[in-house]
Amino acid sequence: AQKITQTQPGMFVQEKEAVTLDCTYDTSDPSYGLFWYKQPSSGEMIFLIYQGSYDQQNATEGRYSLNFQKARKSANLVISASQLGDSAMYFCAMREGRWGSGNTGKLIFGQGTTLQVKP
Amino acid sequence: EPEVTQTPSHQVTQMGQEVILRCVPISNHLYFYWYRQILGQKVEFLVSFYNNEISEKSEIFDDQFSVERPDGSNFTLKIRSTKLEDSAMYFCASSARGTGVVEAFFGQGTRLTVV
Repeated sequence: AQKITQTQPGMFVQEKEAVTLDCTYDTSDPSYGLFWYKQPSSGEMIFLIYQGSYDQQNATEGRYSLNFQKARKSANLVISASQLGDSAMYFCAMREGRWGSGNTGKLIFGQGTTLQVKP
Repeated sequence: EPEVTQTPSHQVTQMGQEVILRCVPISNHLYFYWYRQILGQKVEFLVSFYNNEISEKSEIFDDQFSVERPDGSNFTLKIRSTKLEDSAMYFCASSARGTGVVEAFFGQGTRLTVV
């Protein structure tokens, strides 16, 4: 079974509008972290935002926020006021378990969502 | 801002040849990783390295692959005898350990093309 599922292969959004990129995850570990990375056409992986499984509040980072619904095992990324420079591939990723208890900190990635921002 | 540096940015090699991909992680980080991304597909974990040894490896990381931290600053991935299907973007990443976010910082990647 997929640990991280991103069901939207491609999304369009009008400049200045908000967009939600979906991510669902599957783990039986009570301790985990969820990450979003942006990959522009140049190829590098840029960290955007993080949500820990025990965090009470949804994470926010500038125009990025994470809509964390633990019971539904979803961690959707919301980008507000889209800009042309937001056009990129977006990856949701999970790190399972606590550091040091045999966990290596590896990330498990979803398939990615390509976002195109239209002027 | 500290960053992970990978060289070369692009490598073309003949099938069957050995390649070494190089990475300089962030200096105070303790955990090092290699991931690969076949064109247009998801990023896949290859191997993690901590305390001078492999701490975890995926089933992709077979006997053709090896990693080394030869001098305390570089972290290398060697592919002994490349195959066409090894063509991919290879990312090095490093993490510090501690409380808080502890995100993995990624290098800009090495695009490996096997011909």
